[in-house]
Amino acid sequence: SYVLTQPPSVSVAPGETARIPCGGYKIGSKSVHWYRQKPGQAPVLVIHNDNDRPSGIPERFSGANSGNSAPLTITRVEVGDEADYYCQVWDTDEHRLIFGGGTSLTVL
Amino acid sequence: VQLVESGGAVVQPGGSLRLSCAASGFTFDDYTMHWVRQAPGQGLQWVSLITWDGRLKYYADSVKGRFTISRDNNKNSLFLQMNSLRPEDTAFYFCTKDPSSNTATYLFDSWGQGALVTVSS
Repeated sequence: SYVLTQPPSVSVAPGETARIPCGGYKIGSKSVHWYRQKPGQAPVLVIHNDNDRPSGIPERFSGANSGNSAPLTITRVEVGDEADYYCQVWDTDEHRLIFGGGTSLTVL
Repeated sequence: VQLVESGGAVVQPGGSLRLSCAASGFTFDDYTMHWVRQAPGQGLQWVSLITWDGRLKYYADSVKGRFTISRDNNKNSLFLQMNSLRPEDTAFYFCTKDPSSNTATYLFDSWGQGALVTVSS
C-alpha cells in the first residue's frame, strides 16, 4: 500500500524558512495537498494540487512536487504558523486516500 | 459552508454506532463527501468517501466490511454506520467536503468540528 513519509517535527526560528518534507514513491505523478491543524481545531487546507493556495492562505506558503519528494515551504515563518502539517494524496490504484504521518512545526 | 457531526458516544467493543453530519451553506447533492478520523493525539486517517450521487463508495482497509457510508441528499445529511467496533476505532470523526462539484478531486476544503467515538468496556 502507498505510504507518505513525513518527519515528526521541524523547528525554525521566526522569520526563517521552514521546509516540511513529504516523501512517497513516484509522488511526482500524484497531486499533493497540504493541511494545517492547530491544537483543538479541525485541519485547514493550505496547499492543493501541489502548489495552489486556497483563498486566504498567504503567499508565504508554497509547495513543490517532483520525483519522490513533495515538500511544503513556509517563508518568513511566524509564531502563528506553529501547527501540525499533513500531506495527502489519492492512491488511484487502490482507491484510497492517504495522509502522511504529520509534522509538528515548532517556531522557536 | 457548515458541517455539523453528531452521534458520537461511548460504546462497548463489538457494538454499533451511527454518525450523522448535517450540511448547510452549499448544494449538498453536488459534492463528494468523506469521513476522516483522528485518534486522540495521533494523525489523520481517511475512513470513507461517497460521491455526490451516492453511486461510488470507497473505504479504508481498516474499516471495510464493518463501516457503511451513506447520504440523504433530500435532507442534506451524511452518515457513517459503524458496526463491530474495536478499541482502535476510538477517534474524533470528521465530516469533510470535496471542493469540486459533480466530481471527486479527493481533497477537502471544509471540515466539521468532529464527533468523538470511544470504544471501551
